[in-house]
Amino acid sequence: AQSVTQPDIHITVSEGASLELRCNYSYGATPYLFWYVQSPGQGLQLLLKYFSGDTLVQGIKGFEAEFKRSQSSFNLRKPSVHWSDAAEYFCAVGAETTDSWGKLQFGAGTQVVVTP
Amino acid sequence: ETGVTQTPRHLVMGMTNKKSLKCEQHLGHNAMYWYKQSAKKPLELMFVYSLEERVENNSVPSRFSPECPNSSHLFLHLHTLQPEDSALYLCASSRNPGTSYEQYFGPGTRLTVT
Repeated sequence: AQSVTQPDIHITVSEGASLELRCNYSYGATPYLFWYVQSPGQGLQLLLKYFSGDTLVQGIKGFEAEFKRSQSSFNLRKPSVHWSDAAEYFCAVGAETTDSWGKLQFGAGTQVVVTP
Repeated sequence: ETGVTQTPRHLVMGMTNKKSLKCEQHLGHNAMYWYKQSAKKPLELMFVYSLEERVENNSVPSRFSPECPNSSHLFLHLHTLQPEDSALYLCASSRNPGTSYEQYFGPGTRLTVT
């Protein structure tokens, strides 16, 4: 069965420090991978996506993610965190099958707190 | 992101009430979705519509009734809800159904059932 795991429920990071959020997936087909961010009181905003090609993907707001097939991982990184990056981050996985109908499997989320 | 709007943003209703949530997308997309986001749980897909036709129903209780009159509008009609239905309900749209198309989310409706 397909699954998405975000091992870290909560991460605290200092402003200006680097950030890495982990995402592991279990999927039978070639996956499509996404990272979304949700600020308080808001919906989810797409940060980046991976479908194929270069395994290092650049996204908005200075984020990047690396797909590692051998580790079934798609970790999100940012070299220098800003206070505005405090939010909840969701990894999502999907696969192109005839009956997928856009059915993404979301992880439980990682809450990021940024300290001064 | 103002491409997908949802109203109301907050809703408090009793278990015997009937209410509706509204979603509108201004992106020219052909697929729309309803999700439920509960505390400490992953996002749950409830319904998928493609060109106004329901293509997915994830075993959602009948007290939730979706309606998609056209490709820009999506409703979720609520009746005789339970307290455990309290959650954030998110609407999303994508150019077409299928996971190769990224989904754009609205801000959600925070529903409290008393």
